Amino acid sequence: DAGITQSPRHKVTETGTPVTLRCHQTENHRYMYWYRQDPGHGLRLIHYSYGVKDTDKGEVSDGYSVSRSKTEDFLLTLESATSSQTSVYFCASRTSLEQYFGPGTRLTVT
Amino acid sequence: GENVEQHPSTLSVQEGDSAVIKCTYSDSASNYFPWYKQELGKRPQLIIDIRSNVGEKKDQRIAVTLNKTAKHFSLHITETQPEDSAVYFCAASRPTDSWGKLQFGAGTQVVVTP
Repeated sequence: DAGITQSPRHKVTETGTPVTLRCHQTENHRYMYWYRQDPGHGLRLIHYSYGVKDTDKGEVSDGYSVSRSKTEDFLLTLESATSSQTSVYFCASRTSLEQYFGPGTRLTVT
Repeated sequence: GENVEQHPSTLSVQEGDSAVIKCTYSDSASNYFPWYKQELGKRPQLIIDIRSNVGEKKDQRIAVTLNKTAKHFSLHITETQPEDSAVYFCAASRPTDSWGKLQFGAGTQVVVTP
């Protein structure tokens, strides 16, 4: 599983509160990704990073921001959580081609 | 951008039979096509992948075929077993010029009945 962990694994939060999810990898991979998974939509890319402090938007980036201050950590922040952001969030890191996923974070926004 | 369509959305097969999942992609420049298996409550796991310079790849009971002209690729599972029950996702990518971003299909729920 490419040494990828996510924290927290489960979180319930209220609408309007900020939330930060953490992804940590021990493989020294340059590329990291954040996805959300919703029924009927597969996995959709939120943001990605191609190096420390180098990040860019994916297809569903509205309402999310990311930061990468160290190779091993990639943080996803919901500035003001909304009910539409209730989802399962997966991060991934990449070798030369293959992406390997973390265990996921189930986020519920009430 | 790339668009990947996956069919069927659900697939029920008898144990021992074969299962086939098909995906089509829109970007002719895509050249890397992985397949992931996701068991209930677990992370997606890479099970097989294929690059565009190869037409077919096998790994035990699973195989993937690629038709670049038609822009579609398929996952074949032979001699299905109950542990093959899961959601399978296809994806397409242009690793060298798109930061390795994957565009996923919507997934296929495979149920193998004994």
